[in-house]
Amino acid sequence: DSGVTQTPKHLITATGQRVTLRCSPRSGDLSVYWYQQSLDQGLQFLIQYYNGEERAKGNILERFSAQQFPDLHSELNLSSLELGDSALYFCASSVASPQGVVPHDGYTFGSGTRLTVV
Amino acid sequence: GESVGLHLPTLSVQEGDNSIINCAYSNSASDYFIWYKQESGKGPQFIIDIRSNMDKRQGQRVTVLLNKTVKHLSLQIAATQPGDSAVYFCAERGGYGNKLVFGAGTILRVKS
Repeated sequence: DSGVTQTPKHLITATGQRVTLRCSPRSGDLSVYWYQQSLDQGLQFLIQYYNGEERAKGNILERFSAQQFPDLHSELNLSSLELGDSALYFCASSVASPQGVVPHDGYTFGSGTRLTVV
Repeated sequence: GESVGLHLPTLSVQEGDNSIINCAYSNSASDYFIWYKQESGKGPQFIIDIRSNMDKRQGQRVTVLLNKTVKHLSLQIAATQPGDSAVYFCAERGGYGNKLVFGAGTILRVKS
């Protein structure tokens, strides 16, 4: 167990629908990062939150949004789903602030949510 | 834009041999690099990291080498075991927010 919890583990939904993926970071970690991993691609950075605020954005579609709550858990919302959104979605957490030093054990990933859009 | 790439998509080695996985990165401002191992159906697992002010770091059976002159990173695994079979990713940290940029991955297959 990495300490980063993602739910649900699997999700099957129809095109056009909306889903919410949840991530609880490792205790003490303030930063949460979301990544998408498609079958034929590596991990693509989507978005980062630090202590409730958005810090960095990657190639995140406008149909996707995220937030981080006061208890530091984060949710990734995917709407108007398309077949191409089928992928593994990973959450990672770290202690570091944008200006801080990353600890020795780096960024810790959860087990991911496998989203299948049919 | 930022990118991290791998030279070899698949590497097959004999059990007991040493493995070397290579990675090229493009952002000369990146200050921190990590190697991850990902097994099927699991999240990336931290293996070893290195900061840009170092050129070598050793862990248990693994060594990471960083050559900033040519922007090259490598992971060496000593005495490769069947349990080492997985996809290996290098990642670099650059830009605001400390986000990691990942390479495409290398599949390591260990033959018994």
